Amino acid sequence: DVKVTQSSRYLVKRTGEKVFLECVQDMDHENMFWYRQDPGLGLRLIYFSYDVKMKEKGDIPEGYSVSREKKERFSLILESASTNQTSMYLCASSSSHVKTGAGGQPQHFGDGTRLSIL
Amino acid sequence: SQQGEEDPQALSIQEGENATMNCSYKTSINNLQWYRQNSGRGLVHLILIRSNEREKHSGRLRVTLDTSKKSSSLLITASRAADTASYFCAAHGYQKVTFGIGTKLQVIP
Repeated sequence: DVKVTQSSRYLVKRTGEKVFLECVQDMDHENMFWYRQDPGLGLRLIYFSYDVKMKEKGDIPEGYSVSREKKERFSLILESASTNQTSMYLCASSSSHVKTGAGGQPQHFGDGTRLSIL
Repeated sequence: SQQGEEDPQALSIQEGENATMNCSYKTSINNLQWYRQNSGRGLVHLILIRSNEREKHSGRLRVTLDTSKKSSSLLITASRAADTASYFCAAHGYQKVTFGIGTKLQVIP
């Protein structure tokens, strides 16, 4: 079974801090994704990566950056945390298929990190 | 912008009844998938329907897809209390996936 592990379930940080959220998957998946989930807004894609050292902006990349130095690990960085970044953050991974690309295969999710910025 | 939208946003039914959730999306897709999320957990993939398919079954789940109307529905038959969760549709394009805002289903024992 695919396992996607997020480093923290709960995290409390202060405004202005640099925050790192870590995600590791154990199924050799090419694609990895970071979402934030807010009530009434569903999941919104922040960034995704389809290969090591590759990254693509999602729908709401402002205020965030990512790093993928190894295939199994995808990090989300809040450069200078703000209160409006308080949210649930979900990491996911998926395999690629030549016919369906990075978006076509089912995604496997971690249990999320509930981040509070004070 | 939010592409998928589920309808209704909340649904409460008695155990044993059927639950139907609908989803609309805006752009072309490779496939459409449904996910389930228990409270405080990540999403779990339930079922995938390809853009050239009209209906798919998996156990108590039945999914339909109408690409002309850009809509899909998820039917859960003979619901159980353990089905209580939020359900999300996800429109899968070639590179990206766009999730809806979800339907919160409560099944009352």
